[in-house]
Amino acid sequence: GAVVSQHPSRVICKSGTSVKIECRSLDFQATTMFWYRQFPKKSLMLMATSNEGSKATYEQGVEKDKFLINHASLTLSTLTVTSAHPEDSSFYICSATRGGTSAYNEQFFGPGTRLTVL
Amino acid sequence: AQSVAQPEDQVNVAEGNPLTVKCTYSVSGNPYLFWYVQYPNRGLQFLLKYITGDNLVKGSYGFEAEFNKSQTSFHLKKPSALVSDSALYFCAVSGVWGSARQLTFGSGTQLTVLP
Repeated sequence: GAVVSQHPSRVICKSGTSVKIECRSLDFQATTMFWYRQFPKKSLMLMATSNEGSKATYEQGVEKDKFLINHASLTLSTLTVTSAHPEDSSFYICSATRGGTSAYNEQFFGPGTRLTVL
Repeated sequence: AQSVAQPEDQVNVAEGNPLTVKCTYSVSGNPYLFWYVQYPNRGLQFLLKYITGDNLVKGSYGFEAEFNKSQTSFHLKKPSALVSDSALYFCAVSGVWGSARQLTFGSGTQLTVLP
């Protein structure tokens, strides 16, 4: 159990276009989902935390208007990179937790999405 | 603020030898510690965690880690390395139980097991 999927796994787009990445918890309800960005051979940088039905909480330095996050249901969160530029090229990884008042803190990670902006 | 340090960017070990990947942490209060492994172009896979209880934690694929409070360390170990263990390993700490927000990752250690 506790499987998280991401779609697409790879995307190549032109500069100036928008790209949507989906993160789904397949066999559990995820009250909280996280979006990370990972640069080559680097650690994961937390971009934002999204809770179902509420606005995402962004980390310092992450542009809210550029990285739009929607957590419309307990099994789906989306990250939209708006007006993408080459510097947005990266590996984006989502994770999900079951949450709740007695939260089991383990995060279950998706397989990641490789975004390349030409 | 909480932080994690993985002092070695790269660890090389011969197949069959024991391996250790080091991790130290800094957090207010009791730490909740995790190890994850990442294969190329893949997401993170959970290996093991320490929440409370025995200092020696056993996890997936024969890995274990020892929590040492006095040294604020949580080193990952395996008695006999396999070539298939070659991957990028991340240590992470969460300082607040029940708050899913506070997971902080180390910089990662690339483990290479040589045949």
